[in-house]
Order: sequence, then structure tokens, then C-alpha cells
Amino acid sequence: SQTIHQWPATLVQPVGSPLSLECTVEGTSNPNLYWYRQAAGRGLQLLFYSIGIGQISSEVPQNLSASRPQDRQFILSSKKLLLSDSGFYLCAWSVLYVETQYFGPGTRLLVL
Amino acid sequence: KNQVEQSPQSLIILEGKNCTLQCNYTVSPFSNLRWYKQDTGRGPVSLTIMTFSENTKSNGRYTATLDADTKQSSLHITASQLSDSASYICVVSDESGNQFYFGTGTSLTVIP
Repeated sequence: SQTIHQWPATLVQPVGSPLSLECTVEGTSNPNLYWYRQAAGRGLQLLFYSIGIGQISSEVPQNLSASRPQDRQFILSSKKLLLSDSGFYLCAWSVLYVETQYFGPGTRLLVL
Repeated sequence: KNQVEQSPQSLIILEGKNCTLQCNYTVSPFSNLRWYKQDTGRGPVSLTIMTFSENTKSNGRYTATLDADTKQSSLHITASQLSDSASYICVVSDESGNQFYFGTGTSLTVIP
């Protein structure tokens, strides 16, 4: 069966510090991978998606970046965090042309 | 513009009662519609998924309906339980297989 992991679960970082959130998927090959952010009381906002290694599409311009160094690994990064980067970050995967997205447990990020 | 709108924004019901959540969308060309349940601080979990030709899909006490002509969907919860307290998110995808449009969710609280 397929599983998706995210870490860390919770992170408190000062403004201006770097960020690296990791997501890995097990039990499937060549998944579509997604990073979402969910601000308090808001809906899910798609940040990046990837259909293959090294292929990243950005949906929202910001100080975040994503990378996919391996087939089942998706990393969300920032060189300098802003207060507005606080939120709940969710990684998800899906299989192309199969409809359901499967979400990871999420990382709660608080930038102070 | 592809959009997904959900109503009500929040809902409080007594345990054991039924409720219905609404989702209206303008996504075109339409591929499928999914309902997710998101517990506080967790990733969303898929409840139902419906394609263009499906009108009704059930998952235990959850029943989703789809009217592709009016571009409306509803999620009916029967005999609510305290554990049904969560945010319910409607997601519509287009035929590309990569684009998912999220509603902002309905926050449901079931009280004893």
C-alpha cells in the first residue's frame, strides 16, 4: 500500500531563517506531487506541483521554492522566511489521470 | 475563471441529526469532484469521488450527489456523530489531470 510521509510535524522558525520541509511517498512510482499551504481559517492554496523528477510548476510567486531530487521525494524550501509564511503545509500525491489526491499529515510552521 | 464555492462556511448541529453541505463550481472542462474530510491539524482524507456520469456516491453515512448540468454537488451526512466534527472540502479537477480546484471548506461542529 502507498504511504506519504512529511517532516517535521511542527516547526518554529525565526523570520529570515531558511526552511526545508520534506515529503516522501512509498508504494508507488512516478507520482504527481503537490505542495499546499493552508493558512488559519483559509482554504488550501496550491504552491507547487511536479509531474516528474526535476519538473516543478509554481502556482504562486513567493519566496518559496520546491525541488524533486528523486522520484518519490519532494522538498519545499525557503532561503529567508517571512511572517506570512506561517501556516499548515501539506504534501499530496496522485497518479496521473487517476483522480484522488492522497495527503500527508502536514507540517505546522510558525514563523516568529 | 475556475472556482469552487462551498456553503455554509460553518455549521453546528446536534448529535444524531442529519445535515447537507453544498458545493458549486465553475470548473471546465470538468473531470471529477471529490469530497474530503479534514480533522483539525491533519491532512484531508478522501470521502467520495464522482465523475461526470455519476449522480450519487455513498461512503457509510456520507452520501454525495452531483448535478453536472447545474454544476452543483452536495454532501449529506446521516445520523451525525461527534467524530464528524471537521472541515469538509470540495475539490474539482479538470480534464488535464493535474489541476485541482479547492473550495474553502465547511466547518462542521457536532455537539452532544
